Formats: sequence, C-alpha cells, structure tokens
Amino acid sequence: KAGVTQTPRYLIKTRGQQVTLSCSPISGHRSVSWYQQTPGQGLQFLFEYFSETQRNKGNFPGRFSGRQFSNSRSEMNVSTLELGDSALYLCASSSNGNTIYFGEGSWLTVV
Amino acid sequence: AQRVTQPEKLLSVFKGAPVELKCNYSYSGSPELFWYVQYSRQRLQLLLRHISRESIKGFTADLNKGETSFHLKKPFAQEEDSAMYYCALSVPGAGNMLTFGGGTRLMVKP
Repeated sequence: KAGVTQTPRYLIKTRGQQVTLSCSPISGHRSVSWYQQTPGQGLQFLFEYFSETQRNKGNFPGRFSGRQFSNSRSEMNVSTLELGDSALYLCASSSNGNTIYFGEGSWLTVV
Repeated sequence: AQRVTQPEKLLSVFKGAPVELKCNYSYSGSPELFWYVQYSRQRLQLLLRHISRESIKGFTADLNKGETSFHLKKPFAQEEDSAMYYCALSVPGAGNMLTFGGGTRLMVKP
C-alpha cells in the first residue's frame, strides 16, 4: 500500500509569507502527526490530529497550525515565516496505538 | 516533561565490530521506547520497539528501567548499518506523540 505522502517536497518562501504543507496518510490511518527537523533542535513534535481533532500539541508558537479533514488528510500552516522556520517538516501516520510511519518530508527554506 | 538523550553524535566502527548506541531517558512513569533509523536518502523508519522484544536486522535493545536506558546493540556491524539512529519515547495518554533524542550517526568502515 502507498506510504505517507507529503507535498510539496521542496519550497522556498520569503520572510513574512505563509506556507501550507499537505500530508496524505496511509489508507486507514486516522492519526496524523507533524514534526519539525532542524540540525540544531533535532526532531520536535508539532501536533497530532486524530479524527479531525487536535489530540496533542508541542511547544511551538501560534504561527504554527494544522487541521485534519474527514478523509484523514492533514495540512499544516505556518504564518509570518521567519528564517528560523527553515527546516524539514515530517508528517507521520498511524492506526491508533500501532507503528508510526513517516513521510519523506517537505523541505522549507525561508529567505 | 520527558527527555531523551543520545550522548554520541557520531559513532565510527569497523565492519564486524560490536556496536552499542546509547540512549537514556527521563520520565517518571512507564514510557514506551523505540529506535528509529534513517538510511541515506530514505525516510525515517521504525527499527524496533521495546514492547515487541524483537531482533531486527540483528539489532536488539533492552529497556533498563533502573538506569532509564534503552541502548541499541548489534554484535557484528555491517557496512549497510551506516545510518542515522534516533531513540524515541512515547508516554501514556499522549497519543502518538514521540519525543526524540538528538540522534547518533553510525559509520561502519570496511
């Protein structure tokens, strides 16, 4: 079956802009999580959605937001981009309590 | 709050040598521990989880609650084991939220 799919894979944005990243989980998975990966901070949890409801939230400012649709697809949005938001954003999906599968990520560069 | 520490950023060994990647955690309750691996140009994938007590690709890890450690071991390293390894934990009631360590890059030299 198809794995976790993230789009776009690469993007460049300017400071102050906003960005939306998309994630399609593995079919049947209702839990979608987002992580930010940077060389300095490593892998950090952003938030998790389950059945369209945010179930957990990491320690990120309100500029980072997300949502999940009825088909379990998820989007995350970052508003008022800062240079420090440059990172690899990973999406992961799971059927509750089971193995978490990661996507290849979306590389965001803020200039 | 929970925390995962991987003290070594880089571990270099020769092929056939034993490997031990260290992982220590801090959490007052009973977490679930994982090892994830990321090979070059591939996505992050689960290597093993402590509750399954499996041996994957020759790797094993034992949860030591007294020392709050979950070290990853392999008796004989192979060149294809070269990758980035992340230790992670999840806690009860936190859904699928994972707390990751900083990662250890394993290089296996021929």
